[in-house]
Amino acid sequence: DAGVIQSPRHEVTEMGQEVTLRCKPISGHDYLFWYRQTMMRGLELLIYFNNNVPIDDSGMPEDRFSAKMPNASFSTLKIQPSEPRDSAVYFCASRHGQWADTQYFGPGTRLTVL
Amino acid sequence: KQEVTQIPAALSVPEGENLVLNCSFTDSAIYNLQWFRQDPGKGLTSLLLIQSSQREQTSGRLNASLDKSSGRSTLYIAASQPGDSATYLCAVTKAAGNKLTFGGGTRVLVKP
Repeated sequence: DAGVIQSPRHEVTEMGQEVTLRCKPISGHDYLFWYRQTMMRGLELLIYFNNNVPIDDSGMPEDRFSAKMPNASFSTLKIQPSEPRDSAVYFCASRHGQWADTQYFGPGTRLTVL
Repeated sequence: KQEVTQIPAALSVPEGENLVLNCSFTDSAIYNLQWFRQDPGKGLTSLLLIQSSQREQTSGRLNASLDKSSGRSTLYIAASQPGDSATYLCAVTKAAGNKLTFGGGTRVLVKP
């Protein structure tokens, strides 16, 4: 298996622009997680899905952030409009079944908002 | 609110020395605790997962202990190698949910 795939790996944009991050989970995994990592705040959970349904979005910082999972093999995290403080590494992770199992992380997308 | 702390934030040791990494958490009502490794520019890789009912887990040169009542876990890496240089993060799962709460990590450098 190719593991969790994220695109793009790097994104540089200007303040006010829309940014869309993409994730393909491991085939057969029914949980998908979006995390953000910064030096100041460390690794934070933004939102997670189970069977394509959002379960907990309490970590989404504000209305500028939205996430969707239209099918079992694809998810997006959108920021509109983007701000410099959104600069971070965004990770997607997936997991199969029982929540005793570990999560498998993608390589991340490094976002820089100028 | 669960808080996870890792001390020290950075650690440098000569090759061959044993590594001891510490993790503490404020709420003992956890389901499991995991240790991850993160290499620069890469995602996280799970190293060990300890269920709340377990005291320790071992994998090769790695051993992780869990003292749930005192809110502590320790990751031991025996006979460190330069390839062990990375950031190590611990994370706990709440007893009634799927959320992982991460510590800030310990950045390890093993000098040849």
